[in-house]
Amino acid sequence: DVVMTQTPLSLPISLGDQASFSCRSSQSLLHSNGNTYLAWYLQKSGLSPQILIYRISNRFSGVPDRFSGSGSGTDFTLKISRVEPEDLGVYYCLQHTHLPYTFGAGTKLELK
Amino acid sequence: QVQLKETGPGLVQPTQTLSITCTVSGFSLTSYYMQWVRQTPGKGLEWMGFIRSGGSTEYNSEFKSRLSISRDTSKNQVFLKMNSLKTEDTGVYYCARWNNPFDYWGQGVMVTVSS
Repeated sequence: DVVMTQTPLSLPISLGDQASFSCRSSQSLLHSNGNTYLAWYLQKSGLSPQILIYRISNRFSGVPDRFSGSGSGTDFTLKISRVEPEDLGVYYCLQHTHLPYTFGAGTKLELK
Repeated sequence: QVQLKETGPGLVQPTQTLSITCTVSGFSLTSYYMQWVRQTPGKGLEWMGFIRSGGSTEYNSEFKSRLSISRDTSKNQVFLKMNSLKTEDTGVYYCARWNNPFDYWGQGVMVTVSS
């Protein structure tokens, strides 16, 4: 199975700061069809995960443009340009290039 | 408006069978894969398996021997059945619509495995 490693475990931040999340996979997520199936989700306290980014860098409908994704192969990054209160929660990366699909353990974005 | 809602028992005894129903609205089960994901204290978010729009299934080998996913398209329902439950199966079980990747999730149902 592909292991997804997220760092850091916790990210204390001040509102308005930039936040950066890392996700590394144990093998390349480049599919034979040329796509790389890496997505990012945010889970707010007590709620289901909500999608932010799919295929590395595509923002899902309604996701603010302060969220951006980048990376390739095995190394991926999610950035928030200016953190707002509604951005707090746990961020997960998901790979769906290889079965079984696997999630990272998450990075908790919290206030300093 | 796309909606998904899981209903299930809440408490299940060890060795027993878990049955959860996911009722959907706002889209057709014959147009989308439907997936099951669980979140446990021990392993976090885990993909369990899916049922394709055509009705065939795929399972995580972690659960393959004890997991079954099925559906009733006339009732807009997807079902999860997992047998031989253990205490480490305690967690929140979600159904989610697959639109490469998961786009809509249910609220989840908390399942506690305990005697």
